[in-house]
Amino acid sequence: QVQLVQSGAEVKKPGSSVKVSCKVSGGTFSDLFFSWVRQAPGQGLEWMGGIIPILGTANYPQRSQGRVTITADESTATVYMEVSSLRFEDTAVYYCAVAPDYWGQGTLVTVSS
Amino acid sequence: EIVLTQSPGTLSLSPGERATLSCRASQSISSRYLAWYQQKPGQAPRVLIYGASSRATGIPDRFSGSGSGTDFTLTISRLEPEDFAVYYCQQYGVSRGTFGGGTKVEIK
Repeated sequence: QVQLVQSGAEVKKPGSSVKVSCKVSGGTFSDLFFSWVRQAPGQGLEWMGGIIPILGTANYPQRSQGRVTITADESTATVYMEVSSLRFEDTAVYYCAVAPDYWGQGTLVTVSS
Repeated sequence: EIVLTQSPGTLSLSPGERATLSCRASQSISSRYLAWYQQKPGQAPRVLIYGASSRATGIPDRFSGSGSGTDFTLTISRLEPEDFAVYYCQQYGVSRGTFGGGTKVEIK
């Protein structure tokens, strides 16, 4: 049974960066594929990218490339997602997940001036 | 990148009716990595179906999935009041995670 516990809500200014963490317990951390998914208010689910810790290299859809960085720390079994150059439209709940079964509780990131 | 298109956008039905939701891929995908989720307001998505047709643990048998290649279907045989929600399909697996745009099943 994999459990994913995410860091708390953040309020950020436009142009700044945010780094959200996802602490993992259970399962074999190094060879799971961890995804980050976001959901803007009233909108659908958007896959932001993912990583297999043992490989170290993240995969991103075209839309995420350049502003999203996903990393993993095997020593602490934690996955991170950083979004840079934040815009108002990045306001969303961000989830880490091991699809399809395991999801974190979500982290609300609010971009506000 | 593969695009998943769900239809209809909204489905207005009464309890007891049958719901048929469609998920179409822009190119052929492995059915082994096609999932359906239910999401209610303020909650994380909950997996209903994985591998296109396998029900997840604890999911009632009124939910069923089918399809292959580019066309996949989620069927709810008889809608219960708790089934009114938004449903998403997803292509998952190593290096991928695309979602469809969602279908809202609302009470008529």
